[in-house]
Amino acid sequence: EAGVVQSPRYKIIEKKQPVAFWCNPISGHNTLYWYRQNLGQGPELLIRYENEEAVDDSQLPKDRFSAERLKGVDSTLKIQPAELGDSAVYLCASSLGPGLYGYTFGSGTRLTVV
Amino acid sequence: AQKVTQAQTEISVVEKEDVTLDCVYETRDTTYYLFWYKQPPSGELVFLIRRNSFDEQNEISGRYSWNFQKSTSSFNFTITASQVVDSAVYFCALSGVSGGYNKLIFGAGTRLAVHP
Repeated sequence: EAGVVQSPRYKIIEKKQPVAFWCNPISGHNTLYWYRQNLGQGPELLIRYENEEAVDDSQLPKDRFSAERLKGVDSTLKIQPAELGDSAVYLCASSLGPGLYGYTFGSGTRLTVV
Repeated sequence: AQKVTQAQTEISVVEKEDVTLDCVYETRDTTYYLFWYKQPPSGELVFLIRRNSFDEQNEISGRYSWNFQKSTSSFNFTITASQVVDSAVYFCALSGVSGGYNKLIFGAGTRLAVHP
């Protein structure tokens, strides 16, 4: 079974440019998470989807970040415009459902804003 | 508020040494789950264990063992006879009932380097 697939693996952009990350969760996983991991820190939740609905986006900086999960499968996380402080690893995870179902994480997208 | 503290930023050991990674947590939830994840250089988070707050039994899985002590709010992880392949960043995480168990609160991680 394929795991959680994320692309691109690495991205370098200049500040003020837009950037998008893509996540393909495990087939059948209804819950999808985006986490951000700053250098030397643990991941922090940005947004959680149940199917196509964003049920927890309280940690998402909505002035520049947006996300979507059309048809409740793949998801895209966008930053526009990017700032230097957005440099981090963006991790996607999925699970069968909310709560205590096991989380499976992708390998992440490492974003560097210069 | 919920918080996970991993006081050890980096640990360096020689192969075959035993090593313990510390984890201390804070939560007001009476029901919660604790996790350990491994993050190798490839970047993905690999699930190692989940323990619920009502189960204080220690667990052993091969060279890995976990010591959960509710009295000290600690959930420590020991690797016996460490190997070079154990080199990675290890994260302890907490998920509580107040959040519907929908959110993992991670510690800052401990980077373990095992040298030949």
